[in-house]
Amino acid sequence: QKEVEQNSGPLSVPEGAIASLNCTYSDRGSQSFFWYRQYSGKSPELIMFIYSNGDKEDGRFTAQLNKASQYVSLLIRDSQPSDSATYLCAVRGAGGTSYGKLTFGQGTILTVHP
Amino acid sequence: NAGVMQNPRHLVRRRGQEARLRCSPMKGHSHVYWYRQLPEEGLKFMVYLQKENIIDESGMPKERFSAEFPKEGPSILRIQQVVRGDSAAYFCASSPPSGQGGTVKLFFGSGTQLSVL
Repeated sequence: QKEVEQNSGPLSVPEGAIASLNCTYSDRGSQSFFWYRQYSGKSPELIMFIYSNGDKEDGRFTAQLNKASQYVSLLIRDSQPSDSATYLCAVRGAGGTSYGKLTFGQGTILTVHP
Repeated sequence: NAGVMQNPRHLVRRRGQEARLRCSPMKGHSHVYWYRQLPEEGLKFMVYLQKENIIDESGMPKERFSAEFPKEGPSILRIQQVVRGDSAAYFCASSPPSGQGGTVKLFFGSGTQLSVL
C-alpha cells in the first residue's frame, strides 16, 4: 500500500462545475495535509493546507479532512480552464517527522473543458 | 521578494560525470529541502538542510549523492558518476521556521531537469 494514494485520473469536468479530488494516507499519526497544484513543466505551488478535522475554505477551494477515515479531499468550485493541472496531495507524518519532509501522492490530472 | 532560485534549469551530463545543482532559498528562509520527481512518479523527499547542518537525509541514496548548505552561498546537491536512472527533475524548496500547528509551508523553485545521456 502506498503511503499517500491519489487517483491519477485524468479527471475531466466542464467549466463551472465542481471538481472533487481525493487522497488517502496510511500513517494514522499524520499531522498536516497539503494540496499543491503543478502545471506541466512547472514547480508545485501550495494552494491549501489543513491540519484539523473538518472543512477549510479559501476562495473557490475547500479542503476537507477526516482523520478517522484517513482521507483528505479538495473541492474546486466554479472550475475554470486555468485550473487544469496536476494536483498533488502531500502529508507530513507523525510527530518527530522533520519539518518539510512531506510524502506526496502521485497526483491527479485535472482537465477543465470549456 | 525573489522566490526560490534554482540553476541551471536544464543540465545534460554523460554517464560518469558529476552534476551540481544549486538552490538559493527565499529571503528570510533558512530551511532548504531537496525533492526529486522521476518520470511518472510523485515527488520524493531527499534531504533537509539548515545552514551548515544536514538535518534529515533519510531520502538520499546511500552512494553518489551529497548535499550541503554552507554558511555563505547557495545549497548544492551533488551527484557523482551520474547514471541514466538519475535523470529526473530536482526541486528545491525552502521554508520559514515552523508555523501554526507545526505546519510548514514549502515554497518550491522552478527545478533543475537533469538528463543523463
